[in-house]
Amino acid sequence: RKEVEQDPGPFNVPEGATVAFNCTYSNSASQSFFWYRQDCRKEPKLLMSVYSSGNEDGRFTAQLNRASQYISLLIRDSKLSDSATYLCVVNTNTNAGKSTFGDGTTLTVKP
Amino acid sequence: NAGVTQTPKFQVLKTGQSMTLQCAQDMNHEYMSWYRQDPGMGLRLIHYSVGAGITDQGEVPNGYNVSRSTTEDFPLRLLSAAPSQTSVYFCASTAGVTPYNEQFFGPGTRLTVL
Repeated sequence: RKEVEQDPGPFNVPEGATVAFNCTYSNSASQSFFWYRQDCRKEPKLLMSVYSSGNEDGRFTAQLNRASQYISLLIRDSKLSDSATYLCVVNTNTNAGKSTFGDGTTLTVKP
Repeated sequence: NAGVTQTPKFQVLKTGQSMTLQCAQDMNHEYMSWYRQDPGMGLRLIHYSVGAGITDQGEVPNGYNVSRSTTEDFPLRLLSAAPSQTSVYFCASTAGVTPYNEQFFGPGTRLTVL
């Protein structure tokens, strides 16, 4: 079993739709959690960190459930520009750079 | 600031050749990492460094060497290229060594080994 598993996707949704991605992690000692966005053939960029209390940034909401060991990302009112691959990232080690990445979930938002 | 830079952007090697992928950052970040990304997959950690003179292995270190003589530079050496090393290579840096900091990635090097 992979340490970090994501919904395989792909997700194809119309503009304006709400879409949710889930990610599960296997190591209960995991310390920090992130969602990164990766556009086609580009480098990943931080979308948002995920906190135990949940956090929101505009149309994006991230949730963490430590008891069930999963993370979610909700995108409301999808835009064409949201089309990308979303990577779930978990740090178990004390070092931020030693991260474990999920395989990513690809989202395509269509007009 | 240029952020994290990588050279070359593209490279084609023949099996058995060696080469060095360059990575540099100008943010004075202590922590640097190398990842590889195969098609349809997430990033896998090759090697990382918590500061100048200190390196350690990640998940997939075989066939690669690294060194960190300065804070800014973290080159990745392929010792004897194999087709299985065909991949996109990303270098990343992070300020400090806590697990909560953002990683900044370079634009990647696309390597093909024939």
